[in-house]
Formats: sequence, C-alpha cells, structure tokens
Amino acid sequence: DTAVSQTPKYLVTQMGNDKSIKCEQNLGHDTMYWYKQDSKKFLKIMFSYNNKELIINETVPNRFSPKSPDKAHLNLHINSLELGDSAVYFCASSSYPAGGNTEAFFGQGTRLTVV
Amino acid sequence: DAKTTQPNSMESNEEEPVHLPCNHSTISGTDYIHWYRQLPSQGPEYVIHGLTSNVNNRMASLAIAEDRKSSTLILHRATLRDAAVYYCILRANQGGSEKLVFGKGTKLTVNP
Repeated sequence: DTAVSQTPKYLVTQMGNDKSIKCEQNLGHDTMYWYKQDSKKFLKIMFSYNNKELIINETVPNRFSPKSPDKAHLNLHINSLELGDSAVYFCASSSYPAGGNTEAFFGQGTRLTVV
Repeated sequence: DAKTTQPNSMESNEEEPVHLPCNHSTISGTDYIHWYRQLPSQGPEYVIHGLTSNVNNRMASLAIAEDRKSSTLILHRATLRDAAVYYCILRANQGGSEKLVFGKGTKLTVNP
C-alpha cells in the first residue's frame, strides 16, 4: 500500500494550459504539503494544509491553487502554465500537530514539463 | 528558519560505515534534528530524528553532540542502495504545521 500517492507521475503540457496534480494519503494524517524541486534540485515548500485549511502559503503565484476536498487529499491546480513551472512537485503528509517529533511522508513526485 | 551546514558530497565504499556530519550552531532548545534522504528519481524519505539523546533505528544511527550544535548520521554498513542526497533538517516543536526546510544536503556516493 502506497502511503502518499500522486498522479500523474509525468505530465508534459504546453504553455498556457491549465493542469492538475492529485495527491492522496492513506496514513490518516491531518497535515499535507506541496513541495517543488527545481532543476537545481532545491526542495522548497509551496503550501501546507491542515484538515482542509490552508496553513502555509510560501508566496507562490496565484496561478497555483491547492484544493483539499477532504483531509486525505490535496490537489494542486496550475493555471496558465509557464516554462518556469517545469519542475518535480512532491506531495507530503504528516500527523498533526506536525511538530518536531513527527516525520513526514513524501510521494514519488510528479515531473511537470512545460513546452 | 534554523540553518544547517553539511558537506556538499561524500564518498564511501560498500559495506563500510559512513558518518555524515551536520552543523547546526543556531539550534534552539525545542528544535528536533531530522534526517531525510532522497534516492535518485524518488521522493524524500525519512531516515531518523532526535532531540538530545542518540537514536538508533533499522536504517541508521543519529549521534547528537552534547551541546546539540552538531550531529552525525551513521550508516553502519553502506550499500549501493544508500547512494542518495542526505538532508539534515531542524524541525521546531511548536505544535503547528511546521514545514521541513531543505538545504542542499550531502550527496553520498557508494563505491562497489
């Protein structure tokens, strides 16, 4: 059983399109995250949700809109895709409160390529 | 965010122990020390974490200095599968949705 699963694994799309990446966790966690890993391999947090409520928004362009229909799902919708959005996007989850004494679990990533 | 400093890269031979250092001189009293690793083309994977005492689990051991300003991740017998980027991260214990802040990490190469 995959703890944190993302779909699709690969996504190739043209500039200007709108796309979504889905994430589901079966760990019963209350907190979910989206991270972006760019071509230089830096992992940077984008959003954090706790029980469907937005907790962290790290100055991400408003073309990126996370949606959490329930606490097991956190989807990422991206409007008007740009070349610079090409990256690997990782979903993660953690129990709440996600303090220092808890670990996070990551999905396998979605490689987004904008052409 | 509290910062950590790690060597950019390290090399090891298969079946030998590996000691991955991390400096975190600005650590606060409530920060836990976490280690994650990222294998090629995979998502980050939790390895181990601790607060003050040394910790052991099936994957590794974590040795924490008495003043907590540094720590060392120990892989007792490196395998080829351990080749990855290892991240040392400080995670606050403030009861919220504390994010993990990743640095550049240490790229570990394991030679056969």
